[in-house]
Amino acid sequence: DSGVTQTPKHLITATGQRVTLRCSPRSGDLSVYWYQQSLDQGLQFLIQYYNGEERAKGNILERFSAQQFPDLHSELNLSSLELGDSALYFCASSPGTSQETQYFGPGTRLLVL
Amino acid sequence: GNSVTQMEGPVTLSEEAFLTINCTYTATGYPSLFWYVQYPGEGLQLLLKATKADDKGSNKGFEATYRKETTSFHLEKGSVQVSDSAVYFCALSQGGGADGLTFGKGTHLIIQP
Repeated sequence: DSGVTQTPKHLITATGQRVTLRCSPRSGDLSVYWYQQSLDQGLQFLIQYYNGEERAKGNILERFSAQQFPDLHSELNLSSLELGDSALYFCASSPGTSQETQYFGPGTRLLVL
Repeated sequence: GNSVTQMEGPVTLSEEAFLTINCTYTATGYPSLFWYVQYPGEGLQLLLKATKADDKGSNKGFEATYRKETTSFHLEKGSVQVSDSAVYFCALSQGGGADGLTFGKGTHLIIQP
């Protein structure tokens, strides 16, 4: 158990809809990262937050957004969903910002029908 | 940009065989290098890491050495077990404030009794 929790575990929705994925980092970790794992794209970094502020952006679509709250939990919002957004979404956390080990949650499996 | 290349699979070995999974990378500066493992239906777990040239990471009988001259971080284990069957990901972290991990496509390892 990494100490990172993600909810929900599974999510099934329809095209055009909007969903919110939630992540609670390990106790004491200030950085939260979001990743997407799909069969065709592999594991891709989406976005990083550090202590409430956006720190780095990866291959995140404009339809996707994230935020980190004062209690350090984070939410990833996916809107105008398309079939191709079906994937595993992982959250990871680390203490700070620099080349540290990232600890991954169990993931949220999203299926868009 | 940064990239990680690793042999894809599946790689099938017999129990007690010697394992090598090749990983090479492209990055500027001095990235940190990681091997993560993903067991079926689970999130990613850190297996080992190295943060500078010639460092050797090791854990659970697995080893990898950070070779800057060949930009490689090959994973090795002297005697694999059935329980080592999983998907192995090589990854790098550039640091400098942009800390999303760049992953290889993953190597599916199957160990037969």
